[in-house]
Amino acid sequence: QKEVEQDPGPLSVPEGAIVSLNCTYSNSAFQYFMWYRQYSRKGPELLMYTYSSGNKEDGRFTAQVDKSSKYISLFIRDSQPSDSATYLCAMISYQGGSEKLVFGKGTKLTVNP
Amino acid sequence: DGGITQSPKYLFRKEGQNVTLSCEQNLNHDAMYWYRQDPGQGLRLIYYSQIVNDFQKGDIAEGYSVSREKKESFPLTVTSAQKNPTAFYLCASSVVGDSQETQYFGPGTRLLVL
Repeated sequence: QKEVEQDPGPLSVPEGAIVSLNCTYSNSAFQYFMWYRQYSRKGPELLMYTYSSGNKEDGRFTAQVDKSSKYISLFIRDSQPSDSATYLCAMISYQGGSEKLVFGKGTKLTVNP
Repeated sequence: DGGITQSPKYLFRKEGQNVTLSCEQNLNHDAMYWYRQDPGQGLRLIYYSQIVNDFQKGDIAEGYSVSREKKESFPLTVTSAQKNPTAFYLCASSVVGDSQETQYFGPGTRLLVL
């Protein structure tokens, strides 16, 4: 089983829809959880990060973490065509004094006007 | 205007050739990283450096080499030993001790094999 699983999509939604992006993980040592957005042929940019179970909101974006289920989500409200990009989840674990960062494969999202 | 720059944007490699990808940052970050991104896969760590003149292998270091002679610069060489070099290469930097969630990424270099 891979440490981080993310459905690659593609996911296509109409403008204004609520988008739900998800990742599951198997390593209970993961403590920090991030979402990156990557436009085509560009480097990823950090959207949100959190380290506790629950919700964190930033504008139209909400990051949700459920550590008991080993499941994280990113919700996008009132989606816009400019949200069309690949979204990558990422997680950090601290074990044996070392830090490990693992990325999901990314989900490609298209928001149609 | 601080940030990370990578050059070139596109790079073509002939078989048996070594090529070097440039990464420069003016963010005064101590740590720098090289990742490789392949279609349908997440980012995979090639090398990282937390201080000048020191670097560590990541998960897929074979066929690659790096140097860190200056804080601002972390060039990556793709050697002829790397048999499948076609990928999108991303450089990142962060403040040491600030955890990796504040990594800043460069725009990437796409390497293609002729």
